[in-house]
Amino acid sequence: AQKVTQAQTEISVVEKEDVTLDCVYETRDTTYYLFWYKQPPSGELVFLIRRNSFDEQNEISGRYSWNFQKSTSSFNFTITASQVVDSAVYFCALKGGTYKYIFGTGTRLKVLA
Amino acid sequence: KAGVTQTPRYLIKTRGQQVTLSCSPISGHRSVSWYQQTPGQGLQFLFEYFSETQRNKGNFPGRFSGRQFSNSRSEMNVSTLELGDSALYLCASGEGGNTGELFFGEGSRLTVL
Repeated sequence: AQKVTQAQTEISVVEKEDVTLDCVYETRDTTYYLFWYKQPPSGELVFLIRRNSFDEQNEISGRYSWNFQKSTSSFNFTITASQVVDSAVYFCALKGGTYKYIFGTGTRLKVLA
Repeated sequence: KAGVTQTPRYLIKTRGQQVTLSCSPISGHRSVSWYQQTPGQGLQFLFEYFSETQRNKGNFPGRFSGRQFSNSRSEMNVSTLELGDSALYLCASGEGGNTGELFFGEGSRLTVL
């Protein structure tokens, strides 16, 4: 069975702090894709990043970075120097061989000014 | 390029009624999937349509149905509404392959009284 676990339901940080959102996944597929999406208050989920199972290289995009470790089945997301605009719900998702997305339950991030 | 459009954005129904929600995907996208989002359950997959055929289905009762038209527009229908159907219903479009990200609409917020 496929599963995505985001154990952190809600995180609050003060602006400029670094924060890491955890994502642990389960799958028996050898080829799969991992994603992060951001859901601001408007409701529309916005794609942030995709990683395939053969590419464990970490990625940095501005203040965002992602750490993919197959050994621990984790795909964690770090925001450096957080800003109030980063406040949103963040979803981790897994897509295997069935074309079906499996989403985690999301982590609500609150960045306080 | 226009984004994913969902209508209506908000609606209120009473128990026992039925509702139809509409989704217009991004031009050229052949995959449309539907999700139910509630505070306690996160994002729950309803179904996915690809080229007018249902390709995947989640674990929802038969009261939830959908269809996709030849222009890729999709509708979902919920019959005999229950209080527990109150949720944000999100539509997402994609190219349909296994690697691509999803593009979400802002959702239709259904309240059942």
